[in-house]
Amino acid sequence: SQQGEEDPQALSIQEGENATMNCSYKTSINNLQWYRQNSGRGLVHLILIRSNEREKHSGRLRVTLDTSKKSSSLLITASRAADTASYFCATGYSSASKIIFGSGTRLSIRP
Amino acid sequence: NAGVTQTPKFQVLKTGQSMTLQCAQDMNHEYMSWYRQDPGMGLRLIHYSVGAGITDQGEVPNGYNVSRSTTEDFPLRLLSAAPSQTSVYFCASSTPTVGYYEQYFGPGTRLTVT
Repeated sequence: SQQGEEDPQALSIQEGENATMNCSYKTSINNLQWYRQNSGRGLVHLILIRSNEREKHSGRLRVTLDTSKKSSSLLITASRAADTASYFCATGYSSASKIIFGSGTRLSIRP
Repeated sequence: NAGVTQTPKFQVLKTGQSMTLQCAQDMNHEYMSWYRQDPGMGLRLIHYSVGAGITDQGEVPNGYNVSRSTTEDFPLRLLSAAPSQTSVYFCASSTPTVGYYEQYFGPGTRLTVT
């Protein structure tokens, strides 16, 4: 079974608004990553947050991690049409040999 | 660098046929993996390798074989294709310098089994 579950499954917002998507997982992790997938393409790594970190920023992306709740959120600020994609969280373990992906959030940005 | 390349891009097989999906990377990455992605779902790990000569099973290994004779190549073999193997297959690679976690993905192979 998949480790991470994203919420919501789909999100549609107006260009310029902020988009927030959440990821919950079941067992202890070493790190959590977020990836973007444009339609018909492979996944692109966006950001990684380690289990001892609470918040991380990269450009318009802000990721938080709450290990007590086993959850993470990805915030995209000032959304653009080019942000339209599916976003996946992925959990990594200290064995470093497996990375488990969630089912993804489909984000649509309306012009 | 070409990054991670996959061939073919599209493939149609009949039930019972076998084939090999090719994956190559030119970044000298030790870690390589294969995922399948079904409609509306995330990626499920099929097999992975932490170096030449070393492979291990992921979440959904049944019906697939892998080998890793070189650092660059990690082919995925379907032994006897079944309609349940209709999916998009992604190969990915990574390196210990990023703790194996940041993976670089290929463009995918869309496989249909009839």
